[in-house]
Amino acid sequence: GAVVSQHPSRVICKSGTSVKIECRSLDFQATTMFWYRQFPKQSLMLMATSNEGSKATYEQGVEKDKFLINHASLTLSTLTVTSAHPEDSSFYICSARVGNNQPQHFGDGTRLSIL
Amino acid sequence: GESVGLHLPTLSVQEGDNSIINCAYSNSASDYFIWYKQESGKGPQFIIDIRSNMDKRQGQRVTVLLNKTVKHLSLQIAATQPGDSAVYFCAENIYNKLIFGAGTRLAVHP
Repeated sequence: GAVVSQHPSRVICKSGTSVKIECRSLDFQATTMFWYRQFPKQSLMLMATSNEGSKATYEQGVEKDKFLINHASLTLSTLTVTSAHPEDSSFYICSARVGNNQPQHFGDGTRLSIL
Repeated sequence: GESVGLHLPTLSVQEGDNSIINCAYSNSASDYFIWYKQESGKGPQFIIDIRSNMDKRQGQRVTVLLNKTVKHLSLQIAATQPGDSAVYFCAENIYNKLIFGAGTRLAVHP
């Protein structure tokens, strides 16, 4: 149980393109989902907390107009990287949890490469 | 700012030996801790968790120890196998968010 699916797994696109990444909880409902960014050989850095039916909460230094988050249902959150540039290239990972103080379950990440 | 973990060390062990991965955390308000395993190109996989009112928890081949006095967390893996090779992260839950440590790479040699 507690499977989180992330799509696509890899994206390669030109600078200036907007890219949407989907995160789905397949067998449970998640009122809260999280988006992380991970650079090579580094740890996961929390970007934002996605709350179903309300605005996302962004971590300090993360541009909310650059990284648009929508959590329209209890099983789906999307992250859109708008007007992506090479410095946005990274591994983006989502997670979901059933409730507070419960483990977060992670998707398998999206490798974003901006040319 | 406060953080979990200090650097990314590598732990090399022989197959069949026990492994101990350590993690230091600095936020005394953290109430819940999780160990994750991350294989190359994949998302973190839940291994085991422990709440702050406990000091030890066991799973299948894994044990987590929590020492709140010195703010230290450890993951013990018994009879380490090649499939255990990965990067291991500790994470602390504070204000309903997870803060990840830097991670430790575990390399298992035959």
